[in-house]
Amino acid sequence: DAKTTQPNSMESNEEEPVHLPCNHSTISGTDYIHWYRQLPSQGPEYVIHGLTSNVNNRMASLAIAEDRKSSTLILHRATLRDAAVYYCILRDVRRAGGTSYGKLTFGQGTILTVHP
Amino acid sequence: SAVISQKPSRDICQRGTSLTIQCQVDSQVTMMFWYRQQPGQSLTLIATANQGSEATYESGFVIDKFPISRPNLTFSTLTVSNMSPEDSSIYLCSVERQGARTEAFFGQGTRLTVV
Repeated sequence: DAKTTQPNSMESNEEEPVHLPCNHSTISGTDYIHWYRQLPSQGPEYVIHGLTSNVNNRMASLAIAEDRKSSTLILHRATLRDAAVYYCILRDVRRAGGTSYGKLTFGQGTILTVHP
Repeated sequence: SAVISQKPSRDICQRGTSLTIQCQVDSQVTMMFWYRQQPGQSLTLIATANQGSEATYESGFVIDKFPISRPNLTFSTLTVSNMSPEDSSIYLCSVERQGARTEAFFGQGTRLTVV
């Protein structure tokens, strides 16, 4: 399974942008880069994903390096509710019984602390 | 989106006993996934459950310890058998919705404490 490397923790102030880096030097050409976050006492939730091009949605932006060996999740204006563990994951496509599905291998993630 | 309900949300169990965790999804899905999250750790995939076939277990997990049922396209159970304190973890059920935006949805988890 492809692996990702993230800083253990990061801090931000409320209303400021946050850039969460991720290294994935062993990424293959078909691996999608997914980001999930886990708020305290909850299951993970999807944030964003991409393959080669930068992506934007209402939650965040994803900047993917040209060689795809690294990516950065960007929270444009952090709020207290964004305090969570952020996981950068390479979605590994598997097949079973004629069905394809994605296997998510979670690393340790980055603990984001947001200060008021 | 997909709504996933897990039961129980938490439990305290005696060592040597077994606990069955239920996972109900509000729509039909092909694959369901079971994860374990040990205290202070990340999520580890236990197994993948495809309706109508035996679950596929990841390295380090075996069917005798974590039997899984998948009777239909909206339901699955995970049993933690012959529990020991080392099994104290959060167990999470997950499904994947494929389409224009492929994403996984997770239940709230079952917090298990073995005493």
